[in-house]
Amino acid sequence: DTGVSQDPRHKITKRGQNVTFRCDPISEHNRLYWYRQTLGQGPEFLTYFQNEAQLEKSRLLSDRFSAERPKGSFSTLEIQRTEQGDSAMYLCASSPLYEQYFGPGTRLTVT
Amino acid sequence: KQEVTQIPAALSVPEGENLVLNCSFTDSAIYNLQWFRQDPGKGLTSLLLIQSSQREQTSGRLNASLDKSSGRSTLYIAASQPGDSATYLCASIKAAGNKLTFGGGTRVLVKP
Repeated sequence: DTGVSQDPRHKITKRGQNVTFRCDPISEHNRLYWYRQTLGQGPEFLTYFQNEAQLEKSRLLSDRFSAERPKGSFSTLEIQRTEQGDSAMYLCASSPLYEQYFGPGTRLTVT
Repeated sequence: KQEVTQIPAALSVPEGENLVLNCSFTDSAIYNLQWFRQDPGKGLTSLLLIQSSQREQTSGRLNASLDKSSGRSTLYIAASQPGDSATYLCASIKAAGNKLTFGGGTRVLVKP
């Protein structure tokens, strides 16, 4: 059991650039979740997949954000035309059904 | 819409004292409640999961209780140690497989 992994761990980008993050879930987990956490706050839900189907998207996920999970394995989260307000920790979690297991997160800094 | 609150936002105790962390939620129709630990700049580590049919769960020095009717959960950490210093988050889930709704966390400092 290698746990949930995320890549990269840190990303610094300039405003207006596009960024893409990757999440590899625990292999037998069919559910995958993305959350965003700003400093001093609890994580907020962004979107989740069951296998390759995206079942729910938060209103936080503006049209600059897109997430995919091809073939129900790893997932990518892309942010287009980044803004300073996108600076946050992006957390991925996977679950077989009940308990969610989190990865180490990707820290995004938009300058 | 579910709202989860954790008060206080920060707590400082001397080593050896028992910790009591509070979590309240507005919608009692939860499926389960999960407690997490987060170290600075890191991801979340699951500590305990309490299903809605349960009243408490225990793991080592940790004990979590759940009272759905009052919309409260409490995490007890016995005989605190400096290594327990971290942020503790609670989160509720409305149905199996759904998203977690988190509180803002309680930042704990255990002083040697």
